[in-house]
Amino acid sequence: TQLLEQSPQFLSIQEGENLTVYCNSSSVFSSLQWYRQEPGEGPVLLVTVVTGGEVKKLKRLTFQFGDARKDSSLHITAAQPGDTGLYLCAGENTGNQFYFGTGTSLTVIP
Amino acid sequence: DTGVSQDPRHKITKRGQNVTFRCDPISEHNRLYWYRQTLGQGPEFLTYFQNEAQLEKSRLLSDRFSAERPKGSFSTLEIQRTEQGDSAMYLCASSPPVGGREGYTFGSGTRLTVV
Repeated sequence: TQLLEQSPQFLSIQEGENLTVYCNSSSVFSSLQWYRQEPGEGPVLLVTVVTGGEVKKLKRLTFQFGDARKDSSLHITAAQPGDTGLYLCAGENTGNQFYFGTGTSLTVIP
Repeated sequence: DTGVSQDPRHKITKRGQNVTFRCDPISEHNRLYWYRQTLGQGPEFLTYFQNEAQLEKSRLLSDRFSAERPKGSFSTLEIQRTEQGDSAMYLCASSPPVGGREGYTFGSGTRLTVV
């Protein structure tokens, strides 16, 4: 099992602030995904990044895959209360399976 | 297709009892995964099927756990002689034949509480 560490584990910010969540590993991944999960529900896919150095934008969310494909970051601009949730990164191994990170719990205070 | 369905949504059981959960994946997805998740943590991989074949099992899946996917459609996860440490959310996900690159579609999970 490849270990994916996310930081910070918990984050509480005011509406309108910016934030960055990090996902780090010592392993190289074929691709990496970010999911958001709300309480009592399953994770929902936000993005898949495949190429080292790749940057993808989804409205106020910016995702980056590290050059060495071992790490990734998620940046949220002007956070809104609707962004509240558990953010999970998941790395793809050579067997085409995804292993999830430890999670970052984000609370955006109105 | 309404996505991945899991049943029941909640299960409370006494320690020592057996429980069985069901997962109905998206019909055209041939891959099916079971994960376990505790509060505030990421999902932990349990096992994975491609069609009816169980291709991988995590060390987390003790001999009290068994999963089946008899016809390559729905899957069941059974836990025998439940223990309090089994209390968690059990998530099922499916993905298309090309694998998870297009993303897993998760069900809403079954929350198990062992008392």
